[in-house]
Amino acid sequence: EDQVTQSPEALRLQEGESSSLNCSYTVSGLRGLFWYRQDPGKGPEFLFTLYSAGEEKEKERLKATLTKKESFLHITAPKPEDSATYLCAVHDYTDKLIFGTGTRLQVFP
Amino acid sequence: GAGVSQSPSNKVTEKGKDVELRCDPISGHTALYWYRQSLGQGLEFLIYFQGNSAPDKSGLPSDRFSAERTGGSVSTLTIQRTQQEDSAVYLCASSLGSAGGETQYFGPGTRLLVL
Repeated sequence: EDQVTQSPEALRLQEGESSSLNCSYTVSGLRGLFWYRQDPGKGPEFLFTLYSAGEEKEKERLKATLTKKESFLHITAPKPEDSATYLCAVHDYTDKLIFGTGTRLQVFP
Repeated sequence: GAGVSQSPSNKVTEKGKDVELRCDPISGHTALYWYRQSLGQGLEFLIYFQGNSAPDKSGLPSDRFSAERTGGSVSTLTIQRTQQEDSAVYLCASSLGSAGGETQYFGPGTRLLVL
């Protein structure tokens, strides 16, 4: 069964304290791995798509990487405005996204 | 450009009543998806449209749930005889097509509370 597991469930960081979020997946035929950011009361906001092992993408303080079994979202020198829930999802050979339960990140000044 | 829009943003209803949730996808997007997000749980797939057809309805939790799409654009998700366990955020997403790896863009969601 296709599955996505995210860890940790929650992460508290001091402003400027870099860290990484993990997304482990098992899927029959990966066609894309997606990272989204979700703020309270809002819909998920697209961040990155990764398609193959070894691929990396960056946006401001965020960098996403992909291996055959997991993806990492690295946050460098985070700021309080980076506080949100980060969602990982995979797109397999069906037409839907399979989501993890997310990592809730809090960054304190 | 305009993103995915959903209405209403919030809906409070009584158990047993029917509700309709609306989604306007991004213009030109042929694929449309409905997901449900319950408190403390991940997003759960409900149904997918390619144009006006629904090739995959596998996520609909019961026959009380139905959805349609007209004109390849607006979609309506209907929940009949609502139950308290239907309380959740209902999210709509659209993508350019349905080929694997297409990015799905989400709307703000409709927060449904069944009393």
